[in-house]
Amino acid sequence: NAGVTQTPKFRVLKTGQSMTLLCAQDMNHEYMYWYRQDPGMGLRLIHYSVGEGTTAKGEVPDGYNVSRLKKQNFLLGLESAAPSQTSVYFCASSKRGLGGNQPQHFGDGTRLSIL
Amino acid sequence: GQNIDQPTEMTATEGAIVQINCTYQTSGFNGLFWYQQHAGEAPTFLSYNVLDGLEEKGRFSSFLSRSKGYSYLLLKELQMKDSASYLCAVRASRGNSGGYQKVTFGTGTKLQVIP
Repeated sequence: NAGVTQTPKFRVLKTGQSMTLLCAQDMNHEYMYWYRQDPGMGLRLIHYSVGEGTTAKGEVPDGYNVSRLKKQNFLLGLESAAPSQTSVYFCASSKRGLGGNQPQHFGDGTRLSIL
Repeated sequence: GQNIDQPTEMTATEGAIVQINCTYQTSGFNGLFWYQQHAGEAPTFLSYNVLDGLEEKGRFSSFLSRSKGYSYLLLKELQMKDSASYLCAVRASRGNSGGYQKVTFGTGTKLQVIP
């Protein structure tokens, strides 16, 4: 099983450029998440999805958009990249449920630099 | 909201025991997770607690006291490969039906194991 796969692994953009980060999971998980991780800030939730066709804002959604057209894929878009969006981006997925031991499974991350 | 506190850094000796603490403040507590993250890699799930007490998994154990808003991760027989960041994450119910429950990550404790 591949688990959670993110592409690309690295990218350098110029300010104002746009791009899409791709996330795919093969565990049939209902929930998917996009985080950014910055030094001293921990993992911060950008957007999440509780199922195909649904998305919701997380803690730091400004400057990002997402789509979940298929259950296995969750896309994160940057419409006009800014240097403040330089970060490591992690996608994660988990089973749906009201509780219980349902940890998140993370992809290997995308290292994004905005010049 | 949720507040999660962990020490920023710790150092311990190979073969020793180390305890990494996590304190939290939240309403609607519904589970606490510990993740391990090696430098440049994705977080991986270590343990889960929802009831008070100790959960043991090989060299790793995790403890929870809900009344005190306190958890710790205990690592025994430390090995050099245990050098990593350890993330505490708290799940809380929003009180709505539908299933999604917010998970908030602490900033992580960077553990260095020295010979």
